Order: sequence, then structure tokens, then C-alpha cells
Amino acid sequence: KQEVTQIPAALSVPEGENLVLNCSFTDSAIYNLQWFRQDPGKGLTSLLLIQSSQREQTSGRLNASLDKSSGRSTLYIAASQPGDSATYLCAVETDKLIFGTGTRLQVFP
Amino acid sequence: DAGITQSPRHKVTETGTPVTLRCHQTENHRYMYWYRQDPGHGLRLIHYSYGVKDTDKGEVSDGYSVSRSKTEDFLLTLESATSSQTSVYFCAISAISGAYNEQFFGPGTRLTVL
Repeated sequence: KQEVTQIPAALSVPEGENLVLNCSFTDSAIYNLQWFRQDPGKGLTSLLLIQSSQREQTSGRLNASLDKSSGRSTLYIAASQPGDSATYLCAVETDKLIFGTGTRLQVFP
Repeated sequence: DAGITQSPRHKVTETGTPVTLRCHQTENHRYMYWYRQDPGHGLRLIHYSYGVKDTDKGEVSDGYSVSRSKTEDFLLTLESATSSQTSVYFCAISAISGAYNEQFFGPGTRLTVL
């Protein structure tokens, strides 16, 4: 059974820091991996999708990498800002989307 | 917001009553999904649809049914609500499955069953 784990569960950093969020999964037979952002009381916003044949994707200050063989993905956020404060979720696609429980990020001024 | 709306956005109901949640999309996407989000469990798939009148069960389908009579609408019904179904429900859509399956989510419905 596919399991997705995100570490740490919560993270608090000062503005301007570069940071890395981690996602690991137990079964490497995935179609893709997707990173989402969720603001309190809101829905999920898709940030990046990495297909299984890809190694990384970039969007602005965000860079996501995928190492399928080791069952790991990282989301790198450069020069963090208070507006980045949110919960970040990763999910892997098998025959359905399996979610991790998220990393709650707080960026303080 | 990917053209997805959910209604109602908030609902409080009593145990044993039927409840229907609606998801509406304007993107004409083939795939639609219902998830529930609970603390400590993350998001879990309830049911999904791969076309009009084509639906299948997800991970936590017991106590729920769905219907899709039109491409744009996907209904989730709790036939007899229980307190364990108190949750936030999200609808999602995607154009295709597999490697290119990028899902887009609605704003959610917060359901409280007393």
C-alpha cells in the first residue's frame, strides 16, 4: 500500500531564508508527483507537477525535484516571504492520488 | 480557481438526515473527484467519476454515494449522515488520467453532523 510522508510537520523560519520541504513515498511505481499549497480554510492550489520520467520542475521561486528510485521529492523555496506561509502538501498519482499530511510553514518578518 | 464551485460551502445537519453536496465545473473536464480532509489523515478519496454516469469507489466510500448526470456536475450524497462524516469535503477535476493527471480543487464544503 502506497504511503506518503512529509517531514517536518511544521516549520517556522524568518523571511528571506531558503528552505526545503521533504516528501517520501513507499512505492516507486507512480505516474507523477504533485505539490499543492493550502491556505487556512481554503482549497488546494496546484504548484508543480513532476511526471515520473522527469527529475525536476521549476516555477518562479519554487523548485521541485523527484528521485523515484529512492521514493523522495523535495520542494525548494528560495528567498521565503511571509506570503509563503501555508500548508504544503505532496501527492503521488498511482491509480489515484495519495496525499501526505502536509508541512505547515510559517514565515515571519 | 479552475472554474470549480462547491455548494453549500458550510452545512450543519443532524445525525440520520440525508445530505447532498454539489460540485460544478465550467472546464468540461472528464474526471471529477470527491475527497474528504480530516486532521491526521490528510485528504482521502471518496469516489470519482471518469465520465457521465461512470463512477467508481475510492478509499473511503462507505456511507457515500455519487451521481453524475451531466459533465459539469458531480453530486456527493450522504444517505444518512453520521458524526464520523463531519469533515471538509473537496471536489477536484482533471482533464486526463495517468502521468499528466494534474488535479485542480474547489474551495471545499465544511460539513458538521451533530
